[in-house]
Amino acid sequence: GEDVEQSLFLSVREGDSSVINCTYTDSSSTYLYWYKQEPGAGLQLLTYIFSNMDMKQDQRLTVLLNKKDKHLSLRIADTQTGDSAIYFCAENPPVYNQGGKLIFGQGTELSVKP
Amino acid sequence: EAEVAQSPRYKITEKSQAVAFWCDPISGHATLYWYRQILGQGPELLVQFQDESVVDDSQLPKDRFSAERLKGVDSTLKIQPAELGDSAMYLCASSLGPSIFSYEQYFGPGTRLTVT
Repeated sequence: GEDVEQSLFLSVREGDSSVINCTYTDSSSTYLYWYKQEPGAGLQLLTYIFSNMDMKQDQRLTVLLNKKDKHLSLRIADTQTGDSAIYFCAENPPVYNQGGKLIFGQGTELSVKP
Repeated sequence: EAEVAQSPRYKITEKSQAVAFWCDPISGHATLYWYRQILGQGPELLVQFQDESVVDDSQLPKDRFSAERLKGVDSTLKIQPAELGDSAMYLCASSLGPSIFSYEQYFGPGTRLTVT
């Protein structure tokens, strides 16, 4: 199937680390992505990881990829109230025409409490 | 910083009416995508253009939805007639090109459609 799965909610305290998990479906996906969506807004590309990498770090963001288990995670260090949003993981299975189509999970709503 | 532009931001229409959305991608981006996002779900691709050609419209309800990108730049998505179940956020995205050489898709702010 095409289901990219994420837990729906995560609540953390300001200053703690947040870890958002995702299970994807196609082991041949070339890139895996994390997008952030604030209320009423479009999607902002946060980071991505190439499938031949295990880890990618970008300032407060760390992406871990376990290809064997098809598991992707996003860790946000020192979480701030401004990080409160919905986070989507997405894959682009190459089986789709020219590989452009993204398959999104249903999103994880991150709530950061002061 | 270059952005994907969409209009209108909000649209309320009655069922059976026609509605149209417009998208202007980032300059130089050859690939344009229209996604639909139902409340509480992730976006789902409706149609993908490479320049002016449709490369994927497998999820587009063609009996009522149409999309065009006549000059390979901006694009219009139309619904006629609108149904209650079409209420959603319609997102436009663009990227430099197809496949693994243009992996970053940039999204516009979306058009929130409410059908009454």
